[in-house]
Amino acid sequence: SQKIEQNSEALNIQEGKTATLTCNYTNYSPAYLQWYRQDPGRGPVFLLLIRENEKEKRKERLKVTFDTTLKQSLFHITASQPADSATYLCALGTSGGYNKLIFGAGTRLAVHP
Amino acid sequence: GAVVSQHPSRVICKSGTSVKIECRSLDFQATTMFWYRQFPKKSLMLMATSNEGSKATYEQGVEKDKFLINHASLTLSTLTVTSAHPEDSSFYICSAARSGANTGELFFGEGSRLTVL
Repeated sequence: SQKIEQNSEALNIQEGKTATLTCNYTNYSPAYLQWYRQDPGRGPVFLLLIRENEKEKRKERLKVTFDTTLKQSLFHITASQPADSATYLCALGTSGGYNKLIFGAGTRLAVHP
Repeated sequence: GAVVSQHPSRVICKSGTSVKIECRSLDFQATTMFWYRQFPKKSLMLMATSNEGSKATYEQGVEKDKFLINHASLTLSTLTVTSAHPEDSSFYICSAARSGANTGELFFGEGSRLTVL
């Protein structure tokens, strides 16, 4: 069966450290993968998109990797800040262009001062 | 930036009544919009794909007569929950893709929390 797995347990880290979140998927062949941030009671906000032919993407303190062999994406936040505390969702897009996304359940990140 | 406005943000209704939720793209045109439902600490579950000027495409298990979707213009899609029951209480979120763009990026509304008494 098709699955997208994100660690359901909250990730607690100290301010200034690098947070690493994992997204694993099975029985999908995504054309691209996206990461979103969601705060409580709000809609998701787009962060990064990485395509199947890309290994790594960076944006300011954010870095995403995409390993289609391992069927895994890693999302890193360097020099983390308490303001980075939120739930982070990965989403798979199964064809090119904008198309319906399949979301993981998200991982809650808590950055402590 | 691209802004998607969703209204109302919160609505409480009595069982058996119908509720309409609007999703508007404020500064861009959206041929395609998507409607999701989210339970606490759960993933966004895609309900349907709303296409301007045509019928919505519903995901398996979603009742099209229960959740009516209308996409009458390039900037507005509406979701009507008909004959609402307490089990329909949830957080409903819409998203929109910019027409003509091929980036895969979606812009989300702030969500609408529906409580059915």
